[in-house]
Amino acid sequence: DAGVIQSPRHEVTEMGQEVTLRCKPISGHNSLFWYRQTMMRGLELLIYFNNNVPIDDSGMPEDRFSAKMPNASFSTLKIQPSEPRDSAVYFCASRFNNNEQFFGPGTRLTVL
Amino acid sequence: QKEVEQNSGPLSVPEGAIASLNCTYSDRGSQSFFWYRQYSGKSPELIMSIYSNGDKEDGRFTAQLNKASQYVSLLIRDSQPSDSATYLCAVKRASGTYKYIFGTGTRLKVLA
Repeated sequence: DAGVIQSPRHEVTEMGQEVTLRCKPISGHNSLFWYRQTMMRGLELLIYFNNNVPIDDSGMPEDRFSAKMPNASFSTLKIQPSEPRDSAVYFCASRFNNNEQFFGPGTRLTVL
Repeated sequence: QKEVEQNSGPLSVPEGAIASLNCTYSDRGSQSFFWYRQYSGKSPELIMSIYSNGDKEDGRFTAQLNKASQYVSLLIRDSQPSDSATYLCAVKRASGTYKYIFGTGTRLKVLA
């Protein structure tokens, strides 16, 4: 069974550009998380969806960040406009109910 | 004060020794505790979970929880070079909730 799938795996963009990160959760999982990982701040929860509905977006740093989950098998995290301080690894994770969450391979974002 | 604190390391131990990783947390209401292993450039993977005071053993891994002192530790017996990774401590405030609070991780190096 495929795990969590994320694309792209690496993204290099220039400041001011729009960035869209994509995630396909594990089939049957009903919860999806977007995390950001940096050396300084570690792994931080950005937004949590349950049954495709955003439950907690308090971790989204500012209005430049937005996330959607149009159906149970797809989610996007968009940054517009991007800034150099957004450079990080972005992970998507999914789980079924209160069970273990499984992480995707991550997207390494570099904003120049 | 960070909610979950870990020494960043690196913690270097010789092959075959016991590696001891520690984590403290600030929220006394925390009920669920997790250790994740993250290899360089990879995503976190769950290796241990613990919910009650005392020790929990799984193979070469032992998780220890002391809620009164608000710390959780991970012991790795007979350390192997393949155990070299960053170990993330994560805490959930109450059972059934979704939000994991992660520490920034301790980098472990097992020297052959």
